[in-house]
Amino acid sequence: IAGITQAPTSQILAAGRRMTLRCTQDMRHNAMYWYRQDLGLGLRLIHYSNTAGTTGKGEVPDGYSVSRANTDDFPLTLASAVPSQTSVYFCASRTSFGEFYGYTFGSGTRLTVV
Amino acid sequence: AQSVAQPEDQVNVAEGNPLTVKCTYSVSGNPYLFWYVQYPNRGLQFLLKYITGDNLVKGSYGFEAEFNKSQTSFHLKKPSALVSDSALYFCAVRADSGAGSYQLTFGKGTKLSVIP
Repeated sequence: IAGITQAPTSQILAAGRRMTLRCTQDMRHNAMYWYRQDLGLGLRLIHYSNTAGTTGKGEVPDGYSVSRANTDDFPLTLASAVPSQTSVYFCASRTSFGEFYGYTFGSGTRLTVV
Repeated sequence: AQSVAQPEDQVNVAEGNPLTVKCTYSVSGNPYLFWYVQYPNRGLQFLLKYITGDNLVKGSYGFEAEFNKSQTSFHLKKPSALVSDSALYFCAVRADSGAGSYQLTFGKGTKLSVIP
């Protein structure tokens, strides 16, 4: 089934630890995004990638890094987790062909930093 | 800068009554507008979008939205609410950071509760 796979589904992480959230898509979409969702704040963009080999910063990039070695994978890394990074993280991808223009979201990763 | 406002944190409606979830936007250029729904502990599901064309857009699960350029609004509507429509609804606008990323900028969400 075409779509986005995120892993893990949930994680409890000790502060100061390093963590990589995985995101894989099988739709061959060029553009991919990482958002975090916090109550009362909606979804905010962390990082994006327009195509393999390129990345850019979103609205809340501090404390996060991404890489895009190929079209399918877009991992998000927390180098040293802090409690304020407790959130639900969504990966998304975009297609831009005519009437099919749209965004697909993964099921999310619920991260708790303690 | 692009932005989306959802003025109501929560909307309560009786089952069978019409529902409206409000959204206004600010964007330079032509707006690409979206509505997503999120059920508890689930991801975002696409409901509908406005790219161009008719101002009334029909989407999934009987939802529709009316694009009003003069009022910069894109309100979500449904003629008859179901209890199963209870969820968190997000309005979003396609933004362009200038680097061609075309990311979505989201509103803060509106919690819809349909009362039996």
